[in-house]
Amino acid sequence: EAGVAQSPRYKIIEKRQSVAFWCNPISGHATLYWYQQILGQGPKLLIQFQNNGVVDDSQLPKDRFSAERLKGVDSTLKIQPAKLEDSAVYLCASSSGATNQETQYFGPGTRLLVL
Amino acid sequence: AQKVTQAQTEISVVEKEDVTLDCVYETRDTTYYLFWYKQPPSGELVFLIRRNSFDEQNEISGRYSWNFQKSTSSFNFTITASQVVDSAVYFCALSEAGGFQKLVFGTGTRLLVSP
Repeated sequence: EAGVAQSPRYKIIEKRQSVAFWCNPISGHATLYWYQQILGQGPKLLIQFQNNGVVDDSQLPKDRFSAERLKGVDSTLKIQPAKLEDSAVYLCASSSGATNQETQYFGPGTRLLVL
Repeated sequence: AQKVTQAQTEISVVEKEDVTLDCVYETRDTTYYLFWYKQPPSGELVFLIRRNSFDEQNEISGRYSWNFQKSTSSFNFTITASQVVDSAVYFCALSEAGGFQKLVFGTGTRLLVSP
């Protein structure tokens, strides 16, 4: 079974530019998550989708971050405009359901460096 | 509020030594789930184990074992006869009951196993 796919793996941009990350979850997984992992820290949830609806975006900086999950499968996370403090690894995860007992499976992440 | 503490920032051992990674959690819920993930240098978070709050039995999987103690709010992870391939950052995470799953991660413990 294919795992969670993410692209690109690495991205370097200058501050105030925009950037987009793509995620393809495990086939059949209804729930998709985006996390931000700053160097030396644990992942922090940015947004959670159940099918194509948002169930939690309380920690998403909505003035510059946006995300969508068209047709309940792939998802895109966008940052516009980027700031230096957005340098981090952006991890996508998926699970078959959304209850607290579900196991989340993670992709390889996208390493973003903002100069 | 839920919180996970991994006090050990970095541990260095020599191959074949046993090593224990500590995890202490805080939650007001009586029903919750605990997880361990491994993050090798490639960046992907690899799921290791999930344990619910009603199951305090210790678990062993090959060289890995987990000690869950509700009395001390701890969920420690032991690697027996460590190998170089065990070198990674290990994260403990907590998910409380009710509503949609929200994983809260600790800051991770970096394990370096040298030959």
